[in-house]
Amino acid sequence: QQQVKQSPQSLIVQKGGISIINCAYENTAFDYFPWYQQFPGKGPALLIAIRPDVSEKKEGRFTISFNKSAKQFSLHIMDSQPGDSATYFCAASIDQAGTALIFGKGTTLSVSS
Amino acid sequence: EAEVAQSPRYKITEKSQAVAFWCDPISGHATLYWYRQILGQGPELLVQFQDESVVDDSQLPKDRFSAERLKGVDSTLKIQPAELGDSAMYLCASSLWGGQSVNEQFFGPGTRLTVL
Repeated sequence: QQQVKQSPQSLIVQKGGISIINCAYENTAFDYFPWYQQFPGKGPALLIAIRPDVSEKKEGRFTISFNKSAKQFSLHIMDSQPGDSATYFCAASIDQAGTALIFGKGTTLSVSS
Repeated sequence: EAEVAQSPRYKITEKSQAVAFWCDPISGHATLYWYRQILGQGPELLVQFQDESVVDDSQLPKDRFSAERLKGVDSTLKIQPAELGDSAMYLCASSLWGGQSVNEQFFGPGTRLTVL
């Protein structure tokens, strides 16, 4: 019930292409879904987050799509750049103060130039 | 820009030794989390504080791990004795209590622990 499943484990995309990472959750009480970006040797940095009152949220080249009935959400990176090469984690929690995030296992993205 | 500070950044220790990690959250953040991230995995919560009180330590191996946040600001995580399986990145995160983005958590750079 607490798991967040993330796929694929790794992804190679050409520069300018679209990167798509998928996550699925089990706990229907979850209502906060952030994505974090992590570079080697660094802590995770919040990239974008969505709440289930909307089906899509876009910030620059990054878009989250959310499907409440399927309990799935995904990150789309448009016009992928070599600087986007990093590990991406989806997470989920109840949207209230002081709730621990449940993370997926991560996707390592490599954008080739 | 305010950041979560952690030290040391790297720690190498031998099995059975004691280690300690320090975290200073973003000023004004009442909630502080310690997560452990094993290589190739996502972070997993070890312990969570609200001000100086422990909110959740259900995943903390209490026979060897301890955590404190005495004045409700900075925090220390200790392992004694360290075991080989403790090798991981230890991440500290903080968040505001209340407000619009109620569960937005900000992570520090982490402490990479290697136990030999």
